[in-house]
Amino acid sequence: DGGITQSPKYLFRKEGQNVTLSCEQNLNHDAMYWYRQDPGQGLRLIYYSQIVNDFQKGDIAEGYSVSREKKESFPLTVTSAQKNPTAFYLCASKIAGDTGELFFGEGSRLTVL
Amino acid sequence: KQEVTQIPAALSVPEGENLVLNCSFTDSAIYNLQWFRQDPGKGLTSLLLIQSSQREQTSGRLNASLDKSSGRSTLYIAASQPGDSATYLCAVPSSGNTPLVFGKGTRLSVIA
Repeated sequence: DGGITQSPKYLFRKEGQNVTLSCEQNLNHDAMYWYRQDPGQGLRLIYYSQIVNDFQKGDIAEGYSVSREKKESFPLTVTSAQKNPTAFYLCASKIAGDTGELFFGEGSRLTVL
Repeated sequence: KQEVTQIPAALSVPEGENLVLNCSFTDSAIYNLQWFRQDPGKGLTSLLLIQSSQREQTSGRLNASLDKSSGRSTLYIAASQPGDSATYLCAVPSSGNTPLVFGKGTRLSVIA
């Protein structure tokens, strides 16, 4: 079945450590996105990529990094520069263009100890 | 900058009731609007996608309408069931082919 797979589902990190969240899709979608969700704040855009080897910053990119070396993969690294990384992270994808429907993975919950 | 507002923030209804969730957006030059459902601790599930040329979309007991000129959309749920309990979010592109901007959602509880 086609879909978006995020791993790990739960991740614990000590302060000062970098962590990488995986996002893989087999939907043949061109565009991929990372959102962060905090209680009471809704979803906020971190980074997005509309084509391989290209990506753009979203509203809250500071302290995060991404890469898009393959069409199906869009990993997110949460660096030690991110001041408050504890959150629920959601990866999404869609076809290129204006009219596509956005699909989400199941999310990864990161907790900083 | 596009802003999306959802009212009410939370809603509790008895089973069987019909209900309406509201979504408003500030920039009416949108290409489409999408409604999602989110269960606790889970990702978002797409419910309905309405293109800018459409006025409504239906899927089962769900009906979503779109009024671009007034910057509003509604999600109508008929004959609500306890299994409908979840958070419902609407989202629109900030401009053209750009990432979706989300409202904060409406948390729905359907009481048996």
